[in-house]
Amino acid sequence: NAGVMQNPRHLVRRRGQEARLRCSPMKGHSHVYWYRQLPEEGLKFMVYLQKENIIDESGMPKERFSAEFPKEGPSILRIQQVVRGDSAAYFCASSPSRLAGTGELFFGEGSRLTVL
Amino acid sequence: DQQVKQNSPSLSVQEGRISILNCDYTNSMFDYFLWYKKYPAEGPTFLISISSIKDKNEDGRFTVFLNKSAKHLSLHIVPSQPGDSAVYFCAAGGTSYGKLTFGQGTILTVHP
Repeated sequence: NAGVMQNPRHLVRRRGQEARLRCSPMKGHSHVYWYRQLPEEGLKFMVYLQKENIIDESGMPKERFSAEFPKEGPSILRIQQVVRGDSAAYFCASSPSRLAGTGELFFGEGSRLTVL
Repeated sequence: DQQVKQNSPSLSVQEGRISILNCDYTNSMFDYFLWYKKYPAEGPTFLISISSIKDKNEDGRFTVFLNKSAKHLSLHIVPSQPGDSAVYFCAAGGTSYGKLTFGQGTILTVHP
């Protein structure tokens, strides 16, 4: 039973380019979360998606960031016109249900974005 | 606005002894708390959780204690093993889904 798969594991972009991070949830999981970890900090919630729907995007920066989870295929976190401050580890997590009361999530290994 | 804080960046413990990791929070609306363990270049893995209506939850060598009046929780690992060396994150949730607020993490090193 494969875990949460994220790719690429490492991505280098120059300022102004676009970054696309992909996440395939665990089999049978239809709920996906994206978290960001800046250096020396904890993980910060960005967005929660179910298939074809964004449920909570309260942690997403208002500009340049977008996320989707289409009916078919992986969830995608897109960062347009990257800046150095976007350099971070981006973690995807999935769950089989809405998780009333426990919050237990299964995390991927993360995608490390470096902006030059 | 750091709603969940882990004030100790690191902790060093001898194998076989107890490791105690601490976490403080400010938001009274959190109704469940979790600990995650993270190895370098890997994602966090769930360790143990506790509901706000309880004050203790135990799972093998791991016990989490919750003191709601002090807004404090702690993770006890007994006995500590070298394989426990990792970063430990405290997290809290107040929604019906997996929107969690994480602390900054504590690096635990267990010496043989």
